[in-house]
Amino acid sequence: KNQVEQSPQSLIILEGKNCTLQCNYTVSPFSNLRWYKQDTGRGPVSLTIMTFSENTKSNGRYTATLDADTKQSSLHITASQLSDSASYICVVSGGNAGNMLTFGGGTRLMVKP
Amino acid sequence: DTGVSQNPRHKITKRGQNVTFRCDPISEHNRLYWYRQTLGQGPEFLTYFQNEAQLEKSRLLSDRFSAERPKGSFSTLEIQRTEQGDSAMYLCASSLGRPGQGDEQFFGPGTRLTVL
Repeated sequence: KNQVEQSPQSLIILEGKNCTLQCNYTVSPFSNLRWYKQDTGRGPVSLTIMTFSENTKSNGRYTATLDADTKQSSLHITASQLSDSASYICVVSGGNAGNMLTFGGGTRLMVKP
Repeated sequence: DTGVSQNPRHKITKRGQNVTFRCDPISEHNRLYWYRQTLGQGPEFLTYFQNEAQLEKSRLLSDRFSAERPKGSFSTLEIQRTEQGDSAMYLCASSLGRPGQGDEQFFGPGTRLTVL
């Protein structure tokens, strides 16, 4: 069964601190992995996308890593800001249905001043 | 705004009533997806369209749910005889429909349904 597991479920950090979110997946065959940011009451917005051959991708203060051998990904947020407070969802594309997405449950990040 | 739009943004209804949501995808996008998201969870796939053809439906899509995309542009999702368990955020996404790795789905803001 295709699954995406994220940890931790929730996280509270102080403004300016760094944090790392984890994602493990069992989707096969694998196409790509995206990290989405979802603000409360809004739709998800893509932060990064990585294919099988990529092991790191940056987007500003966000850096995603991918280990396709262990089927693990991480999202590192540097110098957090209050606006980083959101849910971060790991989404894996692939499986036998092609472009179908399998979503993780998300990590709810709260950045406090 | 040329992104995905959804209407209404919020809907409160009584149990047993029918509701209909609308999604307008990005204009050149061939694929349109519907998802359901409950509080604290990731979105769950419901169904998707390639142009006007509905190509896949999840087991989550019970007989009370029906989706249409009559002209291959906007789509509607109808829930008949709503139940309290239908309360959720209903997200729509669209994509170009390119095969392979680059077919990014762009999400709308969602419609939050509350069934009393």
